[in-house]
Amino acid sequence: ETGVTQTPRHLVMGMTNKKSLKCEQHLGHNAMYWYKQSAKKPLELMFVYNFKEQTENNSVPSRFSPECPNSSHLFLHLHTLQPEDSALYLCASSHTGTGGSPLHFGNGTRLTVT
Amino acid sequence: ELKVEQNPLFLSMQEGKNYTIYCNYSTTSDRLYWYRQDPGKSLESLFVLLSNGAVKQEGRLMASLDTKARLSTLHITAAVHDLSATYFCAVVAGGTSYGKLTFGQGTILTVHP
Repeated sequence: ETGVTQTPRHLVMGMTNKKSLKCEQHLGHNAMYWYKQSAKKPLELMFVYNFKEQTENNSVPSRFSPECPNSSHLFLHLHTLQPEDSALYLCASSHTGTGGSPLHFGNGTRLTVT
Repeated sequence: ELKVEQNPLFLSMQEGKNYTIYCNYSTTSDRLYWYRQDPGKSLESLFVLLSNGAVKQEGRLMASLDTKARLSTLHITAAVHDLSATYFCAVVAGGTSYGKLTFGQGTILTVHP
């Protein structure tokens, strides 16, 4: 039990589909993140939410649309994706502030775009 | 732009041997993290290093930070098979208050008999 739960674990979608990834954290954190892990590339930060407000969009294409209705839930809405978007999408949460709190990651959603 | 480089990227070790993974970063940082990832699993936090000269140890792993050299090391002592995993270092750029981590490429560690 990592405290950060992601669903689904695996997702296969066509380029014209619309789907959503869900993340829920039970750790009382106030910041949530989406990271992308592609083969042969370092993990890339996509979005940061702090107290439900988006504070970072790391030049992510608009076909990825995040939503954070509260500090415990985070979604990533997907539409008209490209095959190169196939990757492991990791959600994470943490406390904010300067105390150095580590990020706690979920198990990820393995996305395949066909 | 903050860049983080790890080496080696692949490490094959015999059980019982010692080795060190290096993590270099390009700009000022006040926080460095080490994570472990097993195949098909999430990232697990190992160490948080917050100051120059910080050293932390957990079992056979010891991490250190030299902010002047912009270098962190993860030292493995008397490796065992259970340590086989991918290890990442991640850095927070100076002045950022929370989780905007820049990750290294990861070091794939394999420990064999």
